[in-house]
Amino acid sequence: SQTIHQWPATLVQPVGSPLSLECTVEGTSNPNLYWYRQAAGRGLQLLFYSVGIGQISSEVPQNLSASRPQDRQFILSSKKLLLSDSGFYLCAWAAQGGSPLHFGNGTRLTVT
Amino acid sequence: AQSVTQLDSQVPVFEEAPVELRCNYSSSVSVYLFWYVQYPNQGLQLLLKYLSGSTLVKGINGFEAEFNKSQTSFHLRKPSVHISDTAEYFCAVSEKAGANNLFFGTGTRLTVIP
Repeated sequence: SQTIHQWPATLVQPVGSPLSLECTVEGTSNPNLYWYRQAAGRGLQLLFYSVGIGQISSEVPQNLSASRPQDRQFILSSKKLLLSDSGFYLCAWAAQGGSPLHFGNGTRLTVT
Repeated sequence: AQSVTQLDSQVPVFEEAPVELRCNYSSSVSVYLFWYVQYPNQGLQLLLKYLSGSTLVKGINGFEAEFNKSQTSFHLRKPSVHISDTAEYFCAVSEKAGANNLFFGTGTRLTVIP
């Protein structure tokens, strides 16, 4: 069966520090991968998605970036965090071709 | 482009009462529709999905939803709720063709009152 791992579960970082959140998927190959952000009391905002290694599409301009160095690894990064980057970050995967998204357990990021 | 509207941000309901969470979407193309549930500090879990075929879709935990193309709606229902159903519920839509981009509504907080 397929599983998705996302870490860390919680993270507190000062303004201006770098960020690296990692997500890996097991049990499937060539998945579509996604990063969403959920701000407090709000819905989910799609940040990035990837349909293959090295292929990243950005949905919202911001100081975050994403990379997919391996087929089942998706990394969310920032060189300098802002207070507004605080939120709940969710990684997800889907098989190619219209199947549902499967989510990780999320990372609660607090920028102080 | 697609969009999803969940008109009710919060729905309180007594235990064992029925509940309906509303979802309306807009799209110029054929779509897939989904409902997800999110418990506190967790990721989203798929409740049910409509891809094609019967417009009445049954999901996990006793939930069901009905796709109504003429009203562009996909309301979620449960005939009798439990305390454990207290959670955030998200409706989502994606195009049938494309890269699986899922557009979410802003969510409905269901609170079951004992």
